[in-house]
Amino acid sequence: DGGITQSPKYLFRKEGQNVTLSCEQNLNHDAMYWYRQDPGQGLRLIYYSQIVNDFQKGDIAEGYSVSREKKESFPLTVTSAQKNPTAFYLCASSIGGGGRPTYNEQFFGPGTRLTVL
Amino acid sequence: SQKIEQNSEALNIQEGKTATLTCNYTNYSPAYLQWYRQDPGRGPVFLLLIRENEKEKRKERLKVTFDTTLKQSLFHITASQPADSATYLCALDSDYGGSQGNLIFGKGTKLSVKP
Repeated sequence: DGGITQSPKYLFRKEGQNVTLSCEQNLNHDAMYWYRQDPGQGLRLIYYSQIVNDFQKGDIAEGYSVSREKKESFPLTVTSAQKNPTAFYLCASSIGGGGRPTYNEQFFGPGTRLTVL
Repeated sequence: SQKIEQNSEALNIQEGKTATLTCNYTNYSPAYLQWYRQDPGRGPVFLLLIRENEKEKRKERLKVTFDTTLKQSLFHITASQPADSATYLCALDSDYGGSQGNLIFGKGTKLSVKP
């Protein structure tokens, strides 16, 4: 059963803590993305990776970090430097072009809702 | 930079009617434009993609048009049903020519179909 999974579904963080959000896909997609969604706003791109072992900053990368050591995995760490981390985080993947972007649709995971206590 | 606007935050229609949602962009014409559906608390689901050289695309009860002169895409749901109630997102390539393959998303239009 192919798809993209995110865990946990809900995450609570104390101020000053780093937390890591998991994203796994078994679609054999090259490209993976992290977005943040806030009420009344569109999805905003945090980081993206077009191929394993490579990733690029998106529009709002400050306070976040990622890694892409395996094709199927793209974890996101929300660091204590992120001043307003409470949001709905979405991971997505697309076929990509082995490092060359293509105009393919993105497949999204179910999301992780992060709340700072 | 490219800006994208979905001109209605919410749209309420009666079951059986056609819902029409609008997506406008303000800068360069995108190489392609996509529409997604998002239900509350869930990730978006891809619906349709239309390329810059296509005027119209259809899929079952869905129709998308792309007018590069008006810098606008229209998304139609014919014979709407309560199950069509959701937020619909417009997305287009975030840089000229789409070379990065990244998308910029609109804020979405929340559609409510009343029985």
